[in-house]
Amino acid sequence: DAGVTQSPTHLIKTRGQQVTLRCSPKSGHDTVSWYQQALGQGPQFIFQYYEEEERQRGNFPDRFSGHQFPNYSSELNVNALLLGDSALYLCASSLGRGGWPGYTFGSGTRLTVV
Amino acid sequence: GQNIDQPTEMTATEGAIVQINCTYQTSGFNGLFWYQQHAGEAPTFLSYNVLDGLEEKGRFSSFLSRSKGYSYLLLKELQMKDSASYLCAVRSSGGSYIPTFGRGTSLIVHP
Repeated sequence: DAGVTQSPTHLIKTRGQQVTLRCSPKSGHDTVSWYQQALGQGPQFIFQYYEEEERQRGNFPDRFSGHQFPNYSSELNVNALLLGDSALYLCASSLGRGGWPGYTFGSGTRLTVV
Repeated sequence: GQNIDQPTEMTATEGAIVQINCTYQTSGFNGLFWYQQHAGEAPTFLSYNVLDGLEEKGRFSSFLSRSKGYSYLLLKELQMKDSASYLCAVRSSGGSYIPTFGRGTSLIVHP
């Protein structure tokens, strides 16, 4: 049973570019949440997708957008990249928005903006 | 909003016991999670507490006191592989049940 898979694992982009990160949730899960984790920090909530709609959003600018597909997979898009966007981007899946008893995380995409 | 505080780093000896504390301030508390995250890897779920008291799961135990806004993760019989970051996360009804994470405690286990 595959867990949460994310692609790519590593990515280097230039300031001002756009990036798309992908996530396939664990089998049986229908909700995807995205987190940004800077070095030495805890994960910060970006947004959550359920039933193909953004249901909740953290304190991130509109440059961060996403999408959920009918098969529950999800994409995170970041436009006009800034150096400060360099971080580990984690996708977490769950059955339902509450995620009982906890989310299942992917290994993340390490984004470096130069 | 929510405020979660945990020590930045702790060290312990193999075979010993270590307690990692987490204090939080939130409204509409709806559960506290502990996750383990090895460097470069995904956080993995360890425990969930929503009622006061101790939850034991093998070498790991987690305690919650809602009145004090306090939790701890207790690791017994430490092994080298327990060297990792331990993340405390709090869920509240006010936050639509989205867990908010603390910055994590980096635990270093030495021989």
